[in-house]
Amino acid sequence: TQLLEQSPQFLSIQEGENLTVYCNSSSVFSSLQWYRQEPGEGPVLLVTVVTGGEVKKLKRLTFQFGDARKDSSLHITAAQPGDTGLYLCAGPNRDDKIIFGKGTRLHILP
Amino acid sequence: EPEVTQTPSHQVTQMGQEVILRCVPISNHLYFYWYRQILGQKVEFLVSFYNNEISEKSEIFDDQFSVERPDGSNFTLKIRSTKLEDSAMYFCASRRDGENTEAFFGQGTRLTVV
Repeated sequence: TQLLEQSPQFLSIQEGENLTVYCNSSSVFSSLQWYRQEPGEGPVLLVTVVTGGEVKKLKRLTFQFGDARKDSSLHITAAQPGDTGLYLCAGPNRDDKIIFGKGTRLHILP
Repeated sequence: EPEVTQTPSHQVTQMGQEVILRCVPISNHLYFYWYRQILGQKVEFLVSFYNNEISEKSEIFDDQFSVERPDGSNFTLKIRSTKLEDSAMYFCASRRDGENTEAFFGQGTRLTVV
């Protein structure tokens, strides 16, 4: 069974600090997606990484796909209160089902 | 920008009643999904649908659940006899054909079974 493990589960940091959250698997994924979810709303797609070693930037967010395509990280520079939310990584399994990690709940303190 | 839309946004139903949750996927997408998320828990896969049939379903998706694409645009999830533990956010998602294409999610339906 392909699983995605996200760490940390919870992270609370001060505004302006940098942080990195992780998404790991023992399986190879053809791609990984990062979503952000606000309470009571659906996951909103942030980015898809496809190529091993790929780095994508979205303003202050930097996403990296591991060389072996088994892991990914999200780095946020100078976190803002608006970055608060649940960050989910997800990827397609062999049957094209999209599986999710449990997410990292991020809280940025003003 | 095209988006997945779900209705209703919130439904309250009595235990044992049938509910139908509705979704309009993005128009050129070919893969459709239902997920659920119990409050505070992870997003769980229920079922995937492609080419007018179920392509995969989870253990959660038992005989009480069914999906349908009654016309060219709607994708529905029916729960025949709701249980208290069916209370959750239900998300519909769709994606277009092709490898490594992303899924786009609706805003969800909050189902409360009382």
